[in-house]
This record gives sequence, structure tokens and C-alpha cells, in this order.
Amino acid sequence: AQKVTQAQTEISVVEKEDVTLDCVYETRDTTYYLFWYKQPPSGELVFLIRRNSFDEQNEISGRYSWNFQKSTSSFNFTITASQVVDSAVYFCALGRTISSGSARQLTFGSGTQLTVLP
Amino acid sequence: GAVVSQHPSWVICKSGTSVKIECRSLDFQATTMFWYRQFPKQSLMLMATSNEGSKATYEQGVEKDKFLINHASLTLSTLTVTSAHPEDSSFYICSAGLAGVQEQYFGPGTRLTVT
Repeated sequence: AQKVTQAQTEISVVEKEDVTLDCVYETRDTTYYLFWYKQPPSGELVFLIRRNSFDEQNEISGRYSWNFQKSTSSFNFTITASQVVDSAVYFCALGRTISSGSARQLTFGSGTQLTVLP
Repeated sequence: GAVVSQHPSWVICKSGTSVKIECRSLDFQATTMFWYRQFPKQSLMLMATSNEGSKATYEQGVEKDKFLINHASLTLSTLTVTSAHPEDSSFYICSAGLAGVQEQYFGPGTRLTVT
């Protein structure tokens, strides 16, 4: 069974602080994909990153960085120098192929509400 | 590119009535569409997966007779909530996928309130 755990329900930081959002996953699949999404108060999901199980390279995109460690089944997300506009709910998701060539079925974590205070 | 729209963005209906929510892929043909439900301050829960021209596959615990899904074309899927009740009030989000493409493209969501 697929499972994604985001143990941090809420995090509050002061602007310019760095913050790391944790994500731990469980799967029996050998090939899988991991995602992070941002959900601002408007509700629309914003895609942040996709990482496949064969690629453990860490990635940096501006103030965002991701640390994928297969050995600990974790895919953590760090925001450097946080800003008020980063306030949102962040979801980690695990994707599996549901049939040959089809898009992936996603299992979402419970989300982490990040509040960045000015 | 890869834009998904939902209509309506919000709807209020009376208990016992049916509501239809449309999900459209605007600039691509979606081989697979997914419907999620999100209760306040909770995660997205997958309700069903549908492929164009075939019956939807529902997740365990989702009543197929209550949540009717139709995926009649490669650009349109509809979710009909039949005989809606206040407990069906939720945020419904669709997503669309392409064969061989890892991302799903999410719609902006539809907020349903049943009074």
C-alpha cells in the first residue's frame, strides 16, 4: 500500500528564516515518483517538483531545494529565506503508474500548513 | 500549456438535488482524468480514476451511484453528485494526465456547499 506521512501539521517561522518540510513515504513499487505541491488559500494546487525513484540527486530551484534520500524513504523540502508569500499548505505526494503509459495515480500526505510571519 | 479548467468554481445547492461539475483540458487531450475530494484542513483523497470512453474506477468507500463520473471525450470529464447532502459539501478537484507524462495537471477546484 502507498502511504505518505507529513508529520508536521503546522509550522510558523519569521520571514527570512529557513524552513524544512518533512515527507516520508512507503511503497513496494520499485519505480515511483515523488511530488511536492503548494496550495495557497485560493485552493488551486501549484506543482513544485517531480522526482523519480532512480534519481536521487538533490535539486535546487531558487529559494527552494529538495533532498531525496531513498535509504530513509524521505523527500524533504527546504525553503531558504522564507517570505510571507510562501505561506500556504504544502503537500507531498507519491505517484504510481496505474497502467501502461498512463498518468500516475497520486497518494497525498496530510499536508503542512506553513505560516511565514512578517 | 497543460491547462485544466473546472466549472463551476463554486456552487450552492439544496439537499436532495444533483450537481454536475465539469473538468476540461483546454490545450491537450487527457487520456486519464482523476477526481479528488478535499474536506477543510484535510488532504486530497482520490475518489475515482477515469479513462476516456470507459467506466471510471472508484476508490474503496466511494459510492459510484452517488458520484457519477463520465469521461465522454479526451477533453471533458464530469462529476455528478446525485441527491446531495450537507456531508457532501467539500472542495472537489480534478486532474488530467497524458500517457507517458509523469505530471498530472490540476484544475482550480470546485467548492460545493449543500444546504
